Amino acid sequence: EVQLVESGGGLVQPGGSLRLSCAASGFTFSHYDMHWVRQAPGKGLEWVSAIGTSGDTYYSGSVKGRFAISRDTAKDSLYLQMDSLRADDTAVYYCARENWGSSYYFDYWGQGALVTVSS
Amino acid sequence: QSVVTQPPSASGTPGQRVTISCSGGTSNIGSSSVHWYQQFPGTAPKLLIYSNDQRPSGVPDRFSGSKSGTSASLAISGLQSEDEADYYCATWDDSLNGWVFGGGTKLTVL
Repeated sequence: EVQLVESGGGLVQPGGSLRLSCAASGFTFSHYDMHWVRQAPGKGLEWVSAIGTSGDTYYSGSVKGRFAISRDTAKDSLYLQMDSLRADDTAVYYCARENWGSSYYFDYWGQGALVTVSS
Repeated sequence: QSVVTQPPSASGTPGQRVTISCSGGTSNIGSSSVHWYQQFPGTAPKLLIYSNDQRPSGVPDRFSGSKSGTSASLAISGLQSEDEADYYCATWDDSLNGWVFGGGTKLTVL
């Protein structure tokens, strides 16, 4: 059974840093691109970042230069280092697996980790 | 404001057929597949439709998807009370070089 479990969320002051983790199991982690998607309270979904199987990285304009995605295939884990955090980064952060068939799509999601940026 | 737009709300009575639209442009829906996600309050999104019209295993055939040009639609037939949830479309955007989601549609079963 595919499982994605996020951890590391919490309360942080504006300008602070936080590192999210996503532990993967039930599939060959190294074979899949992985993503972070966030959802601000009462708002819709927003794609944040992606990392390919070769370690290539991609970011949305709203987090580029402040967030860094990485992965450790030995630990089957995905990470999101978040620096210079702002109030509008407050959200539930989901990790998601990208699958492919005739196109690419997110097929499994974690339960989410809440990040609150507030003084 | 998302580059892909959905109506904020939709509603129907049990047994009815409802559709939710997802409208974009040539750099997103017009050139990429559309996927749909269902989300209940306090839970993670769940894949409902992928590659425009494909249902993952376990998704009832009451749910169907379609795409034409720069728009896509999710149809739910035989509406049930347990279908009350938020629905999001998603696609790749070539101009933004990233994934985009519609703003979401809250479906109410009257």
